[in-house]
Amino acid sequence: QVQLVQSGSELKKPGASVKVSCKASGYTFTSYPMNWVRQAPGQGLQWMGWINTNTGNPTYAQGFTGRFVFSLDTSVRTAYLQISSLKAEDTAVYYCARDDDRSLDYWGQGTLVTVSS
Amino acid sequence: QSVLTQPPSASGTPGQRVTISCSGSSSNIGSSTVNWYRQLPGTAPKLLLYSNNQRPSGVPDRFSGSKSGTSASLAISGLQSEDEADYYCAAWDDSLKGVVFGGGTKLTVL
Repeated sequence: QVQLVQSGSELKKPGASVKVSCKASGYTFTSYPMNWVRQAPGQGLQWMGWINTNTGNPTYAQGFTGRFVFSLDTSVRTAYLQISSLKAEDTAVYYCARDDDRSLDYWGQGTLVTVSS
Repeated sequence: QSVLTQPPSASGTPGQRVTISCSGSSSNIGSSTVNWYRQLPGTAPKLLLYSNNQRPSGVPDRFSGSKSGTSASLAISGLQSEDEADYYCAAWDDSLKGVVFGGGTKLTVL
């Protein structure tokens, strides 16, 4: 069965970096793009962008350029989200989600990133 | 401020039928299919409907969707207590070149 398993919660200080992983299983990793979605505390879902798992080419949504980087390690079927220069407003749950023709059909369990001094 | 507009809340009693609306524009709902996601408290979202009205395997036929012009709606019939959740609509936006979500609707089963 398709599974996306994300890395555990992170507590970081402002200005630090964090790298969230999303390990896929149960399907051919390179056949489906991977999306990233942010959910701030008590807020709705915000699409961050996606990465082509064939070419590694990332596409970032408005507001997620510069400090946000999507990457892959196809040898271990894992997608990564790295956020640098963390700010308090980056505190959120970050989800990876498999993309099947623009519908996000499988989601990871989410990774809570807390940014606090 | 979300690109797609949903009512923040909806409610119904067990067995009732409720609908949740999702309003967009010509650059998103008007030119793309709509997907619906359900997020139970404390869990990750799950795909509920795709391509306006298609149910993934395992989703009961109590859930249905429709789209007309720049609006879409989700209908839940035979409401059950376990349907209490947040519901989000989403669509591709040609102008923004990305996925846009509605702000979410919190469904309460009274």
